[in-house]
Amino acid sequence: AQTVTQSQPEMSVQEAETVTLSCTYDTSESDYYLFWYKQPPSRQMILVIRQEAYKQQNATENRFSVNFQKAAKSFSLKISDSQLGDAAMYFCAYLTGTASKLTFGTGTRLQVTL
Amino acid sequence: EAGVTQSPTHLIKTRGQQATLRCSPISGHTSVYWYQQALGLGLQFLLWYDEGEERNRGNFPPRFSGRQFPNYSSELNVNALELEDSALYLCASSFFPRSRGEQFFGPGTRLTVL
Repeated sequence: AQTVTQSQPEMSVQEAETVTLSCTYDTSESDYYLFWYKQPPSRQMILVIRQEAYKQQNATENRFSVNFQKAAKSFSLKISDSQLGDAAMYFCAYLTGTASKLTFGTGTRLQVTL
Repeated sequence: EAGVTQSPTHLIKTRGQQATLRCSPISGHTSVYWYQQALGLGLQFLLWYDEGEERNRGNFPPRFSGRQFPNYSSELNVNALELEDSALYLCASSFFPRSRGEQFFGPGTRLTVL
C-alpha cells in the first residue's frame, strides 16, 4: 500500500523568508503523480503544485517549487518570499493513474510571522 | 467557471440517523471523489464515481454509500450514523483520465453527529 509521510507537524517562517516542507512516500508503482495541497482556515483544499513521476525536472509555480528525488522517494515543497496568506495546512498527496484516489500525508501546519 | 459545489455546508444529525451529502462537479468533469477529513485521522479516501459507476472504494463500512447521477453530480449517503462519523466531507472532481491526475475540491460539508 502506498503511504505518504510528513514528518513536520508544524513549521514557522518569517514573512519574506523561505521555508521547506518535507514529504516522503512509499510506492512500488512507476507511474504516479505527486501534489501539494494547501488548506487555509476556510477548509477549501487548493492545489499548489503537481509533479509527474516520469518528469525529471522539478515543478515550479511562481514562489512555490519542489525538490523531487524519485530514487529517495522524497518530494519537498519550497516556499520563497513567504507571505501572510501562505499560512495554512499543507498536505502532500500521491496518486496513481489506476486507483485514481489521492493518498494524503498528515499535513504540516505553516505559520507565517511578521 | 464555477468550481465544485457541495451542500449543505453544515449538517447536524443524531446517532442512528441517515445523512445525505451532495456534490456538483465542475462542468465537463466526469469523475467525482469523496474524502473524509476526521479530526486526528487526516484525509481518507471514501469513494470514486466515474460515468455513473462506482470505480473504487476506500476502507469504509457499507454504511457509506453513494451514487452519481447522469449529470455527473453525486450523493454520499451515510446510514446508521455513529459519533465517529463526525467529520468534514470533501468532494473533488476531475476529467478522468485526461485530467493529468488533478482533482479540484469543493468547500466541504461539516457533519456533526450528536
